[in-house]
Amino acid sequence: DQQVKQNSPSLSVQEGRISILNCDYTNSMFDYFLWYKKYPAEGPTFLISISSIKDKNEDGRFTVFLNKSAKHLSLHIVPSQPGDSAVYFCAASYNQGGKLIFGQGTELSVKP
Amino acid sequence: AAGVIQSPRHLIKEKRETATLKCYPIPRHDTVYWYQQGPGQDPQFLISFYEKMQSDKGSIPDRFSAQQFSDYHSELNMSSLELGDSALYFCASSLVRQGIQNEQFFGPGTRLTVL
Repeated sequence: DQQVKQNSPSLSVQEGRISILNCDYTNSMFDYFLWYKKYPAEGPTFLISISSIKDKNEDGRFTVFLNKSAKHLSLHIVPSQPGDSAVYFCAASYNQGGKLIFGQGTELSVKP
Repeated sequence: AAGVIQSPRHLIKEKRETATLKCYPIPRHDTVYWYQQGPGQDPQFLISFYEKMQSDKGSIPDRFSAQQFSDYHSELNMSSLELGDSALYFCASSLVRQGIQNEQFFGPGTRLTVL
């Protein structure tokens, strides 16, 4: 049973435009959400996180939005750059220091 | 800044052999996690250690065992290897502090191929 879902396996965006990656979850006990970026043959790189007590967190070009009632979060990248091309994983945990449960990933391609 | 170190980066084994994967967490991090990522799949949690004690266990086969040592490095031991064990194995570390959620930082992974 996939508790964290990324329903779009791929996304293609033009350089300079906004990239929006979506993630849905089923377990209302999740209280911490993270986004990771992954290149082939490398480990996931942490991008940004959000606690369940917030609905938005921003870090430079990256903003994560959390809609708890809809059990939905999204990652916005503005402006998108070709170097952003990678697989993006959404992850969730439900206790401090707990394991991460990952979505299936979305492959973002930013075209020049 | 120091990152999570994993060794070896690549490992090729025959069926029924054993393998040992090593992980060196970021200095001062107190928690280590192991994840397995099969081809085309998302990372799946295996096991974690907090202050050298097992803190959580996921879908880890009985053929696998792990421990965290006094210097905080961790080893994942895999015996009676099967073809299906071929995957990327990631180690992550985190500093778990009371009242604060902290992100996990991942190592580059060990690619295990079982022939």
